[in-house]
Amino acid sequence: DVKVTQSSRYLVKRTGEKVFLECVQDMDHENMFWYRQDPGLGLRLIYFSYDVKMKEKGDIPEGYSVSREKKERFSLILESASTNQTSMYLCASRAQGGYAEAFFGQGTRLTVV
Amino acid sequence: GDSVTQMEGPVTLSEEAFLTINCTYTATGYPSLFWYVQYPGEGLQLLLKATKADDKGSNKGFEATYRKETTSFHLEKGSVQVSDSAVYFCALCLKAAGNKLTFGGGTRVLVKP
Repeated sequence: DVKVTQSSRYLVKRTGEKVFLECVQDMDHENMFWYRQDPGLGLRLIYFSYDVKMKEKGDIPEGYSVSREKKERFSLILESASTNQTSMYLCASRAQGGYAEAFFGQGTRLTVV
Repeated sequence: GDSVTQMEGPVTLSEEAFLTINCTYTATGYPSLFWYVQYPGEGLQLLLKATKADDKGSNKGFEATYRKETTSFHLEKGSVQVSDSAVYFCALCLKAAGNKLTFGGGTRVLVKP
């Protein structure tokens, strides 16, 4: 069974902390993505990566960075967490090609207090 | 830029009723189109897809037809069940845009017995 695994389901962090969200996929996919999901706003793309050590900004990259040192792992970093980053974070991976299905992790609900 | 617009929810209906969720898109080029579903407490999973004009995607009794002339990809199901209660997301993918998925805002559907 194919899998995208996010390291935490729930996380509570303090304002100003550096936060790491980890995502691992076992499908040897080239492309990996980080989205945040907020009520009424749907899914918004933060960053994506199409290869090891490669990254592209999505629609809302401010306040975030990413790291992809290995093909199977894509990390989202909140450099200095703020309350407006309280959200559900979803990781996804997909193979190359516009027709390919994206596989999602179960999400990490992050609360910044 | 590329975008997806879906009807806002929530949509509440009775079991065995007919469901339609409207989705229209704006894209520079010819995208692949997808419907994803998110059941409570879970990540997103692919429901169906269509890769070119007039293609019909279908799965689990749901259908959607890629209409290039109206730039639409409406989701339909003839007889819903309580287990269809979920959030439904329409999405597009353009190879020229780096194979990233662009999502609509999501439509929450609640089916009552």
